[in-house]
Amino acid sequence: QTVVTQEPSLAVSPGGTVTLTCGLSSDSVSASHSPSWYQQTPGQAPRTLIYSTNIRTSGVPDRFSGSILGNKAALTITGAQADDESDYYCVLYLGSAIWVFGGGTKLTVL
Amino acid sequence: QVQLQESGPGLVKPSQTLSLTCTVSGGSISSGTYYWNWIRQPAGKGLEWIGRIYTSGGTNYNPSLRSRVSISVDTSKNQFSLNLSSVTAADAAVYYCASLVAGIHWYFDLWGRGTLVTVSS
Repeated sequence: QTVVTQEPSLAVSPGGTVTLTCGLSSDSVSASHSPSWYQQTPGQAPRTLIYSTNIRTSGVPDRFSGSILGNKAALTITGAQADDESDYYCVLYLGSAIWVFGGGTKLTVL
Repeated sequence: QVQLQESGPGLVKPSQTLSLTCTVSGGSISSGTYYWNWIRQPAGKGLEWIGRIYTSGGTNYNPSLRSRVSISVDTSKNQFSLNLSSVTAADAAVYYCASLVAGIHWYFDLWGRGTLVTVSS
C-alpha cells in the first residue's frame, strides 16, 4: 500500500523560512499527482492553500508557495508568522480515482 | 457561495451502521463542477479520504474501506450521504464532507465544519 509521507513536526522562527515536504513511499511525486496542501488549526476544518502543485487559492498570502523539490512536493512558507502555527496536510492523486492524504506536519512558530 | 453542512447521529453502537448526510447550500449539487466527498479524522490523527460521488451516481472508495462504505446522492434535496457499516471504535472520528473540483485542476475546495461521531455501546 502506497503511503504519503510528511515530516511529523517542524519548527520555524518568526520571519523565517520553512519547507514542508510530501513524498511517496514507492515513487517520486510529480505534477501528475495533483499535489495540494491544506492548513488546519485545532477544532477547525481544513483550509485549502495550494493546488495543482503551486496555485494558491483565493485569499492565501503569497508567503505560501508550492513546488516540486527533487522527488517530493513541497510547501514553503517565507516570512513565517505566528498564525501560521498549524497542522499542514498534503494530498496526492494516486490514479484509479484514489486520493491519499499524508500524515500531516505540525508546524510550530517559535 | 456554496456551503456544506454535515448532519447525523453523534453516537453509533459497535457493529451498527454509521449514516451521515451532507447538505449543499448556495449552489446546485448537480452543477457538474464538483465531485462530492467524505473525509474523516480520528482524534489527534490525520485526514483519511473515504470516497466520492458524482451527480450521475458514480462512486469511488478508499480501498481500505470499500467493503463497508456506500455513498449516495439525492439531487432533489441537494444532499449526499455516507453509510459505513459494521463500525468499530476505529471508526470514531470527525467526519467532513468536501467538494472536489473536477477538471483541469483537481483539489478539495470546500469543506463542511465536520461532525463528531463516537462509537460506543
